[in-house]
Amino acid sequence: DAKTTQPPSMDCAEGRAANLPCNHSTISGNEYVYWYRQIHSQGPQYIIHGLKNNETNEMASLIITEDRKSSTLILPHATLRDTAVYYCIVRVTSGTYKYIFGTGTRLKVLA
Amino acid sequence: GAVVSQHPSRVICKSGTSVKIECRSLDFQATTMFWYRQFPKQSLMLMATSNEGSKATYEQGVEKDKFLINHASLTLSTLTVTSAHPEDSSFYICSARSDRGRWEETQYFGPGTRLLVL
Repeated sequence: DAKTTQPPSMDCAEGRAANLPCNHSTISGNEYVYWYRQIHSQGPQYIIHGLKNNETNEMASLIITEDRKSSTLILPHATLRDTAVYYCIVRVTSGTYKYIFGTGTRLKVLA
Repeated sequence: GAVVSQHPSRVICKSGTSVKIECRSLDFQATTMFWYRQFPKQSLMLMATSNEGSKATYEQGVEKDKFLINHASLTLSTLTVTSAHPEDSSFYICSARSDRGRWEETQYFGPGTRLLVL
């Protein structure tokens, strides 16, 4: 199973872009990268996922490097409600497609 | 779409009793559901994978006789913590994997159940 590495914490000013990096250097060619966030005492919320192309939705953008060994989640205009723990996950491609959670990045958006 | 519910949201029980937690996918069918536990300030740890109509697959170190999982339909999985003890106190979270469509294979998480064993 591919392992992900994320910085333990980051701060971001409200209204600015939050760029959250993730290293997944052992990712296999057909493994997807998923991003979730968890606000205190709630279940994780799906944000975005991708394979090798950059992806964008109403919540965020996902930039995956050409070698697929790292990715960056971008929240274009962070708000106080974006304060959460953000998890980058490489999904297992066989069997049950289970997730192995890493330690995540605790993002704090500052007013 | 893709809503997952859990019941109850909080439960307090006495040591030695059993507690059942339900996980439902409300607007999609889920052949596979997952159960996680999370201790304070820690990440989610996968406990088991629940497959509709078959036995659950447990992660290494998780006691299958302690944590009974039943996945009787495509929208419901249950986790029963048997003979609960204080060390079983934790935040239990389920997820359901969508089987088809644009969001195929993406997991959607429930809101979690906080268990406190006295």
